[in-house]
Amino acid sequence: NSKVIQTPRYLVKGQGQKAKMRCIPEKGHPVVFWYQQNKNNEFKFLINFQNQEVLQQIDMTEKRFSAECPSNSPCSLEIQSSEAGDSALYLCASSPPGNQDTQYFGPGTRLLVL
Amino acid sequence: AQSVTQPDARVTVSEGASLQLRCKYSYFGTPYLFWYVQYPRQGLQLLLKYYPGDPVVQGVNGFEAEFSKSNSSFHLRKASVHWSDWAVYFCAVSPVGGRALIFGTGTTVSVSP
Repeated sequence: NSKVIQTPRYLVKGQGQKAKMRCIPEKGHPVVFWYQQNKNNEFKFLINFQNQEVLQQIDMTEKRFSAECPSNSPCSLEIQSSEAGDSALYLCASSPPGNQDTQYFGPGTRLLVL
Repeated sequence: AQSVTQPDARVTVSEGASLQLRCKYSYFGTPYLFWYVQYPRQGLQLLLKYYPGDPVVQGVNGFEAEFSKSNSSFHLRKASVHWSDWAVYFCAVSPVGGRALIFGTGTTVSVSP
C-alpha cells in the first residue's frame, strides 16, 4: 500500500479564494506528480518534480496554479483564485529511484469550490 | 495522439464469476501499461504493470492482464470476483519512465450477491 500522505483530505473554498494542498511523498521517492481527477473520471496531469526541480508541467497559462517541492518540506499545490471548475480530486503520486515508471498515489485532496 | 479507451463505463458481475475489463491504447512505440483500482473515497492503488516482455502480467489479489500489440489492448481479468472488488478500475499508459500517466475514464465494477 502507498505511503503517500496528502492533506487535507477535504477542502471547501469560495470562488476567488486560495486553495492549498500538501503532499508528502513516500520516503526516498525523488519524483512527485500532481493530477486532477474530475467528476467524470477524467485525469489531467498538472506538474511533476524530481527532487525540487520541475520536470514537466502543463501550460498553466491562467497562472492560477502553482506548485513546489522544497527540500525537507511537503510538496504543495496552490490555486490562487479558485473557480467552480477547479472542484475535483487532486492526486499526488511519487515514484521510487530506479523504478520511475511506477507511480504510487496518495488518497487525494477533494476540493469543492462553492 | 496517445490515448487510452475503456469502452465499458460500468460492469456488473456476480460474486464468484469471472471478470474481464477492456482497455485499448493508442501509442506510437512500445508503451508501459498499468491497471489501477480506486476504492470509494480513496486514491489509486496499483494492481499490475506491463513492461515489454511476457504479454501476460500477474498482479495483486488474483488479477492478471494480457498485452496484445496487434490489438493495441491490455485487458484485465480475474477468475473469481469477490464483493471487495467493487471499485473503479483505470487503465493507464506511460510513454517512458518518469513521465505522466495517461488514463482511461475507468470502468466501475459492481458485484452482485
